[in-house]
Amino acid sequence: GEDVEQSLFLSVREGDSSVINCTYTDSSSTYLYWYKQEPGAGLQLLTYIFSNMDMKQDQRLTVLLNKKDKHLSLRIADTQTGDSAIYFCAETTPYNTDKLIFGTGTRLQVFP
Amino acid sequence: GAVVSQHPSWVICKSGTSVKIECRSLDFQATTMFWYRQFPKQSLMLMATSNEGSKATYEQGVEKDKFLINHASLTLSTLTVTSAHPEDSSFYICSARGLAGASTDTQYFGPGTRLTVL
Repeated sequence: GEDVEQSLFLSVREGDSSVINCTYTDSSSTYLYWYKQEPGAGLQLLTYIFSNMDMKQDQRLTVLLNKKDKHLSLRIADTQTGDSAIYFCAETTPYNTDKLIFGTGTRLQVFP
Repeated sequence: GAVVSQHPSWVICKSGTSVKIECRSLDFQATTMFWYRQFPKQSLMLMATSNEGSKATYEQGVEKDKFLINHASLTLSTLTVTSAHPEDSSFYICSARGLAGASTDTQYFGPGTRLTVL
C-alpha cells in the first residue's frame, strides 16, 4: 500500500544545514513534493521532483531522490529562524495523479 | 501567482448546525479542487476531489451526505459540514489544480479553515 514516513522532529542551529528525510513504499511514485506549513496556515509548495530525477536544487533547497531505497530528502542550506515550520513530503502515483499522499510531517525547530 | 483563498479562516459553531467553507482560486482557473482534513499534530488526509460541474469523488470512509461539496465554477468550491458534531472539529484545507499551462500535477493550497464545534 501507500505509506510515507518522516521523522517527527529536527532541531538545528541557525546557519547550519538541515536535512529532512522521507521514505515511501510505492515504487511507482511519479512526483514527489516538499511542502512547508507554518503554524495555523495552509501548505506552501517548496519544490518537487519527478521520479526520473536524482537531484534538484533551488536556491537554498536541495532535493535528493534515491529510488532504489525509496528515500527522499530535503536539505536546507544556511537554515534561518524563518524556516521553523512543519515540512511534509508527499507523492503522487500513476494510479491516481490527483491524490497527494502526505507523510507524517517533520517539525523543524531552528534556534539562534 | 497561483493563490488560493479560503473563507472563513476560523469558525465556531454549535453542535447540530451546518457550516459552509469556501475555497477560491484567485488568479487561475481550477479544473480540480481538493478538500483535506488535518487533525492536530497529524498529516493531511484527502477527503474528496471535485471537478468543476461534476459530482465530487469521496475517499473511503468520508460520508458524502455529511460533507457536501459543490464546485460550481472554475474558481470556487464549497464544503458544507452538515449537522456538525464535536468530532468534526478539525483544520480543513483546500487545494486547487489549474488548467494546462500551470503544472497540471501541482496543487496549490489555501490557508485552511479551523472548525470548532461546541
